[in-house]
Amino acid sequence: QGLLMQSGGGLVEPGGSLRLSCTASGFTFTDHYMSWFRQTPGKGPEFISYISQSGSDILYADSVTGRFTISRDNAKNSFHLQMNTLKIEDTAVYYCASEPRTGGHWGQGSLVTVSS
Amino acid sequence: DVVMTQSPLSLSVTLGQPASISCRSSHSLVYVTGHTYLNWFLQRPGQSPRRLIYQVSNRDSGVPDRFSGSGSGTDFTLQIHRVEAEDVGTYYCMQGTHSPFSFGPGTKVDIK
Repeated sequence: QGLLMQSGGGLVEPGGSLRLSCTASGFTFTDHYMSWFRQTPGKGPEFISYISQSGSDILYADSVTGRFTISRDNAKNSFHLQMNTLKIEDTAVYYCASEPRTGGHWGQGSLVTVSS
Repeated sequence: DVVMTQSPLSLSVTLGQPASISCRSSHSLVYVTGHTYLNWFLQRPGQSPRRLIYQVSNRDSGVPDRFSGSGSGTDFTLQIHRVEAEDVGTYYCMQGTHSPFSFGPGTKVDIK
């Protein structure tokens, strides 16, 4: 059974940076696209970004393009979301997930709070 | 962008009775490959979303057979054939055909 374990998150001031990480186990990481979603209270999750198996295919939501960077380290079964120039509206619980088109496995979530 | 709508937005069900949730998309969800990337998730309070159904009607491993998905094109349905207490939570449909991928607003299910 696949498992995704997240780390990172926390409180940051507007304009600051944070890095989220996600480590996979229980499935063949290198066979899968991986993705990030976020969710604010009372709303459905919002797609943020995905990355292909080799890292050659990357997509970002318009809301984070130019500020967030997704990357992966296949040797460590992990992938990351570098978040720069954070805004108050980026405050959310962030989830990593496998297979962005179907959302097979999800991490436990990381709370990111952007506030002064 | 594809807009997903769900109805009803809340549902109160008697234990053992059936429940049905409708999901509609603003664009056809048939991908160029012929696959239809319409998925259903359950999110319990304080937990991550858990996928129940993928590509319209495929039940995930460990998901009870009282859950079933159907539909095509732009209209989809999740049915719970006999609601149990553990089924409470918020159900989301999600489309993975057109980027950016998107979720519906959710249907909150509780026990009457």
